[in-house]
Amino acid sequence: GESVGLHLPTLSVQEGDNSIINCAYSNSASDYFIWYKQESGKGPQFIIDIRSNMDKRQGQRVTVLLNKTVKHLSLQIAATQPGDSAVYFCAEISWSKLTFGTGTRLQVTL
Amino acid sequence: DADVTQTPRNRITKTGKRIMLECSQTKGHDRMYWYRQDPGLGLRLIYYSFDVKDINKGEISDGYSVSRQAQAKFSLSLESAIPNQTALYFCATSDKEDQPQHFGDGTRLSIL
Repeated sequence: GESVGLHLPTLSVQEGDNSIINCAYSNSASDYFIWYKQESGKGPQFIIDIRSNMDKRQGQRVTVLLNKTVKHLSLQIAATQPGDSAVYFCAEISWSKLTFGTGTRLQVTL
Repeated sequence: DADVTQTPRNRITKTGKRIMLECSQTKGHDRMYWYRQDPGLGLRLIYYSFDVKDINKGEISDGYSVSRQAQAKFSLSLESAIPNQTALYFCATSDKEDQPQHFGDGTRLSIL
């Protein structure tokens, strides 16, 4: 089975509800942030990004919020679907290096 | 992402063996990266390359080496594999510093 994320925090959400996944980043000099989705047996897949000169960015069913004051990033998924079940990672880029958070497992219940 | 291809997808080998993991990309990106993923630790950077003549150590380079044979190819070697190198290994590419990295589907490596 999938060995990724055996000890990850887990968020359980009912199908149709909104999901909010949070991430605290460490480097105040980071100027670019990305959310990735990783499904079992696959590599991380780009979802949405945001630059440090923005507070909010919206995509299709997803919104990323950036609070630089408290170094916090969140990913909001509207109307969560079973296909959204995966591990979600935030990542920060500083000096050309991408640093990943440990991830959150999203479980969508029917 | 089919544009970034990793081979093999799975490998089981013994302690002390030399292992090479291959990565090729059709995205035309200059930048390539190797990461390792362990349970509960996210992805950690092993090596990265910004062009064919550029190789840089990442966070956890000890026990690994890399070769950038061409813009499209970046291989990772374990000269003498040890059990704590058992992990998922991912290759990634990017176009520029402030662009997202695109990942392959990984190699699951088990060292007995």
